[in-house]
Amino acid sequence: AQKITQTQPGMFVQEKEAVTLDCTYDTSDQSYGLFWYKQPSSGEMIFLIYQGSYDEQNATEGRYSLNFQKARKSANLVISASQLGDSAMYFCAMREDRGSTLGRLYFGRGTQLTVWP
Amino acid sequence: ETGVTQSPTHLIKTRGQQVTLRCSSQSGHNTVSWYQQALGQGPQFIFQYYREEENGRGNFPPRFSGLQFPNYSSELNVNALELDDSALYLCASSIGTVQGEQYFGPGTRLTVT
Repeated sequence: AQKITQTQPGMFVQEKEAVTLDCTYDTSDQSYGLFWYKQPSSGEMIFLIYQGSYDEQNATEGRYSLNFQKARKSANLVISASQLGDSAMYFCAMREDRGSTLGRLYFGRGTQLTVWP
Repeated sequence: ETGVTQSPTHLIKTRGQQVTLRCSSQSGHNTVSWYQQALGQGPQFIFQYYREEENGRGNFPPRFSGLQFPNYSSELNVNALELDDSALYLCASSIGTVQGEQYFGPGTRLTVT
């Protein structure tokens, strides 16, 4: 089974508008971390935001916020006031903090975001 | 910039050859993880090194091997290259295995012909 599911291969948003990128995850662990990364065409994976499974508040970093719904196992990324430079591939990832797989990141297939003027 | 560097940036090899990729971790980080990202896919975990010991391995054959040095830099070695090894190889450094974020380097793009 897929650990991370991103159902939107591509999303389009107009500059200055907000956009939500969907992510659902699958784990039986109680302790885990959720991440969003941005990957421009250059290839570098840029860390955006992190949410721990025990964090009660949704994480925010500038224009990025993570809408964490634990019961639904979803961790959607919200980008407010989109900018042209936000056009890139976005990956959701999960880290399990216990067991034989601890420490590794599981990635989804990504969502290609295009911001138009 | 994250402070994680990788070399070389690009590499072209022939099937059957061997390759070594290098990664320097961010200052203060003692853990390095390696990922393979095929075209159009998300990164796949290869293995992780913590304080010079392998600390977990993904579903990759033994011809993928690694090292971590006392300064926490790391190497990924791939023997007997196959065409399917063509990918972007990313390394990520972190403080510990489960604490905090993993910061990625710019990657090495390997092409096997």
